[in-house]
Amino acid sequence: AQKITQTQPGMFVQEKEAVTLDCTYDTSDPSYGLFWYKQPSSGEMIFLIYQGSYDQQNATEGRYSLNFQKARKSANLVISASQLGDSAMYFCAPYPYSSASKIIFGSGTRLSIRP
Amino acid sequence: NAGVTQTPKFQVLKTGQSMTLQCAQDMNHEYMSWYRQDPGMGLRLIHYSVGAGITDQGEVPNGYNVSRSTTEDFPLRLLSAAPSQTSVYFCASSPTQGGDYTFGSGTRLTVV
Repeated sequence: AQKITQTQPGMFVQEKEAVTLDCTYDTSDPSYGLFWYKQPSSGEMIFLIYQGSYDQQNATEGRYSLNFQKARKSANLVISASQLGDSAMYFCAPYPYSSASKIIFGSGTRLSIRP
Repeated sequence: NAGVTQTPKFQVLKTGQSMTLQCAQDMNHEYMSWYRQDPGMGLRLIHYSVGAGITDQGEVPNGYNVSRSTTEDFPLRLLSAAPSQTSVYFCASSPTQGGDYTFGSGTRLTVV
């Protein structure tokens, strides 16, 4: 079974600093993308960023960027210039193309931004 | 508004009762999934579907049934509710080509 590991259950970061959230996985599928989602205390799942298997450059969306290292099966989320509103749970999920309907999420990292 | 709609938003059940959580999407997505999220935990996949008439089990399928008679709807049935099924339930959908995985707002279920 696919396993996703987010090794940082909780992180505290000073406002305006950059933060890197780790995600590793063990999918055997050679073709896969990767999602990151944010879940604030209100509970909704908010899409942050996605990178496809054959994208040549790391994906970026505003202050969010992916450090996608397929050889290491690692896809870390980098948030630049953190804001108080970034305090939330963050989940990563590989998107194997051969079983794209069966997406398994990591256990999440709780990020807290200090003013 | 296009998206994934879940009903109800809140529900309290007594142990042993059955009920159906509704999920509908209007984006013509082929893939749909159900997850549960226990307090302070991540999402666990219950059941998923690759299209109308096709469903399969996820990580934690016991105690739940699903069916997919149309592309739009993917209801989740609790056969005999137990306190261990107290959780927040999320439905999600995506197109087959990937890159767009949309979640509903969730159903908060309490079994007493």
